[in-house]
Amino acid sequence: EVQLVQSGAEVKKPGESLKISCKASGYSFTSYWIGWVRQMPGKGLEWMGVIYPGDSDTKYSPSFQGQVTISIDKSTSTAFLQWSSLQVSDTAMYYCARQPDAFDVWGQGTMVTVS
Amino acid sequence: EIVMTQSPAILSVSPGERATLSCRASQSISRNLAWYQQKPGQAPRLLIYGPATRATGIPARFSVSGSGTEFTLTISSLQSEDFAVYYCQQYHNWPPGTFGQGTKVEIK
Repeated sequence: EVQLVQSGAEVKKPGESLKISCKASGYSFTSYWIGWVRQMPGKGLEWMGVIYPGDSDTKYSPSFQGQVTISIDKSTSTAFLQWSSLQVSDTAMYYCARQPDAFDVWGQGTMVTVS
Repeated sequence: EIVMTQSPAILSVSPGERATLSCRASQSISRNLAWYQQKPGQAPRLLIYGPATRATGIPARFSVSGSGTEFTLTISSLQSEDFAVYYCQQYHNWPPGTFGQGTKVEIK
């Protein structure tokens, strides 16, 4: 079974750093893009960026370029989303998803609260 | 950046009735469009993508039409489990693979 399992909820203070994870299983990790999607409380979905584990090619939405960093660890089939200095406005649910073209498999989400 | 616009924002439908949701792209995206369903407290779920490919387990009452800039998702006979928020997303030209703002299908 293809699965993406995300790390647990986080509560952080403004200015702190954070790295959340998304562990893939059930398929060839290096063969599909993995992306991150933000959903602020009560709002819609926002495409943040994607990474191709085969060669670590990374694409960011202009809205998120420079604000977050997407990375992978091929040895553990895990993708990461990180912030160097969180802001209150980063409070949201973050989803990882596999992207062959559309996002066909989604993680369960990681709630990040900055307060 | 391609802008995706969904209408209506809220659609009130009775169980058993047909629901028609619209999605418009600011420029042609061919048929590189996906539809997702999201229920409260859950991650989004892929429904349909491309010309008309339903994802695994998606029933035939969900169908799509359109190409270029105008698209429609039709739910032929609404079941109780279909009341949710629906998003369209273009993957024709990314980054970013922009989403529409969503249509909430609620019980009338």
